[in-house]
Amino acid sequence: GAGVSQSPSNKVTEKGKDVELRCDPISGHTALYWYRQSLGQGLEFLIYFQGNSAPDKSGLPSDRFSAERTGGSVSTLTIQRTQQEDSAVYLCASSRVDGLYEQYFGPGTRLTVT
Amino acid sequence: EDQVTQSPEALRLQEGESSSLNCSYTVSGLRGLFWYRQDPGKGPEFLFTLYSAGEEKEKERLKATLTKKESFLHITAPKPEDSATYLCAVQATGSSNTGKLIFGQGTTLQVKP
Repeated sequence: GAGVSQSPSNKVTEKGKDVELRCDPISGHTALYWYRQSLGQGLEFLIYFQGNSAPDKSGLPSDRFSAERTGGSVSTLTIQRTQQEDSAVYLCASSRVDGLYEQYFGPGTRLTVT
Repeated sequence: EDQVTQSPEALRLQEGESSSLNCSYTVSGLRGLFWYRQDPGKGPEFLFTLYSAGEEKEKERLKATLTKKESFLHITAPKPEDSATYLCAVQATGSSNTGKLIFGQGTTLQVKP
């Protein structure tokens, strides 16, 4: 079946601009995660959605970052007033139920802030 | 603080030369330990989940084992197509832990023909 899809695959933006990254999880998966992978850093957790529960935003690095999940499916990660340190690969993952099953990752969006 | 450390950072093997990758973890309570493979420019690909000490799982040339403090990924008679970065991650228990994965830095494996 179809895996996790993300768009765009690459995004180049100027410092100070806002960007939106999209994630389409595997059908039927109720849990959705966003992670960030920077050069020299491991994958770091950003935010988690599970059903209608309040999202876990504990990993968001600043208030310039926000995310929403509409209809329990597609999610959008928004970064406002982008900075050069925001340059990274943003990965989305989904799983059947939080924590109890493996997470499947999308191909990622490579964000470059110039 | 929950932490995952992988070693070595990089490993070069000749085709057919077996070896092991290490993942040491410190976590308040372990819900699960995960191994992923990541090829350049792609997202991590799920390999194994281990839940309790003593558990082992195998897939082709790969075998993952788990103790109370670490996990090993054994690669038997590797082939060049096994070249990739192998990531270890843990999930911690507790109501504040929502299933998020805590990743190690990864081991980059290169298998030469």
